[in-house]
Amino acid sequence: NAGVTQTPKFRVLKTGQSMTLLCAQDMNHEYMYWYRQDPGMGLRLIHYSVGEGTTAKGEVPDGYNVSRLKKQNFLLGLESAAPSQTSVYFCASTAGGDTQYFGPGTRLTVL
Amino acid sequence: GDSVTQMEGPVTLSEEAFLTINCTYTATGYPSLFWYVQYPGEGLQLLLKATKADDKGSNKGFEATYRKETTSFHLEKGSVQVSDSAVYFCALNNNAGNMLTFGGGTRLMVKP
Repeated sequence: NAGVTQTPKFRVLKTGQSMTLLCAQDMNHEYMYWYRQDPGMGLRLIHYSVGEGTTAKGEVPDGYNVSRLKKQNFLLGLESAAPSQTSVYFCASTAGGDTQYFGPGTRLTVL
Repeated sequence: GDSVTQMEGPVTLSEEAFLTINCTYTATGYPSLFWYVQYPGEGLQLLLKATKADDKGSNKGFEATYRKETTSFHLEKGSVQVSDSAVYFCALNNNAGNMLTFGGGTRLMVKP
């Protein structure tokens, strides 16, 4: 049981490039989330999903898109990366109870 | 909207010292409250939680009591260890899509 995994662990992009971050969970959780973590600001919710085929905007959705085609996967896309998107990105999932389970994070740098 | 405020760090303590990290919240209704811990280079892990007023969450020697009258959920530990060095996040869940609202995090450094 791997829990929540994220791919890749690190990435450096140039401004304007695109990329997709993959989150996978093997706990059969309905809910999945993407957060970004910036110094002194805690974690802020980007997008979330309450089930396969559904997505919704969180607190800071601009510049990101998501898809949940399979229950176990939640993809976060950056179509045209900007330096302001330099951050650490965390994925999380939950079965619908209180506790969210987090992945190890992806450190993204946009030059 | 909902919000969580934590004391700013870093907090630097000697081993075996007493720890308090303050957390207060603003929310409608009756949220669940959490403390998550993030060790260097890792994701967040649930440390403890409390789901209703006056509940005490505890784990690994840490504890926090849900105080509705003061809208607080302060984290305490009687004797910290070097291995407790990490970033601690207070959070609440107000049951809106099971979403968490986080505080800014408090870095704890424990010196031998």
